[in-house]
Amino acid sequence: DGGITQSPKYLFRKEGQNVTLSCEQNLNHDAMYWYRQDPGQGLRLIYYSQIVNDFQKGDIAEGYSVSREKKESFPLTVTSAQKNPTAFYLCASSPSGAGRWAFFGQGTRLTVV
Amino acid sequence: AQRVTQPEKLLSVFKGAPVELKCNYSYSGSPELFWYVQYSRQRLQLLLRHISRESIKGFTADLNKGETSFHLKKPFAQEEDSAMYYCALSSYGQNFVFGPGTRLSVLP
Repeated sequence: DGGITQSPKYLFRKEGQNVTLSCEQNLNHDAMYWYRQDPGQGLRLIYYSQIVNDFQKGDIAEGYSVSREKKESFPLTVTSAQKNPTAFYLCASSPSGAGRWAFFGQGTRLTVV
Repeated sequence: AQRVTQPEKLLSVFKGAPVELKCNYSYSGSPELFWYVQYSRQRLQLLLRHISRESIKGFTADLNKGETSFHLKKPFAQEEDSAMYYCALSSYGQNFVFGPGTRLSVLP
């Protein structure tokens, strides 16, 4: 069953702790993306990667870090430097080239207490 | 810079009424435009894209380059259309830029 999987679905962390969100895809897509979804603000791009071992900052990268060591995986670390980390995080992937579109995971809701 | 705007945060219509969700964009090149939908407790999914010129679930959208718009339309709304709708833009090799979203509520 092809798709993109995010885990866990819900995550709770204490303030000041780093936390890593998992995103795995078996669609053989080259590109992967992390978005943050907040009410009234839509989806804002955190990081994206067009190819293995390469990634670029999005609009709100501060306080986040990523890695892309494998084509299938694009984990996102929310560091203690992120001032407002409580949010819904969406991972997506897409093939490269024209005519592509993004496939989304089910999201991870992170709550920092 | 690429930007997508959706002027309505919430749109309420009665079942059977026509629906139009507005989307405007700013981009200097030739973008690809998309509509995504997020039903309650489901993942964000592609509804339609301008290059395929198709009708999905009765929805259509026409790209108007002169007005830089990509409005989503449906002649007769159904209660199951109630969801969050996002307009998005992309260009070759680049990421996807999303608008703030419009919540459509179809009343019985």
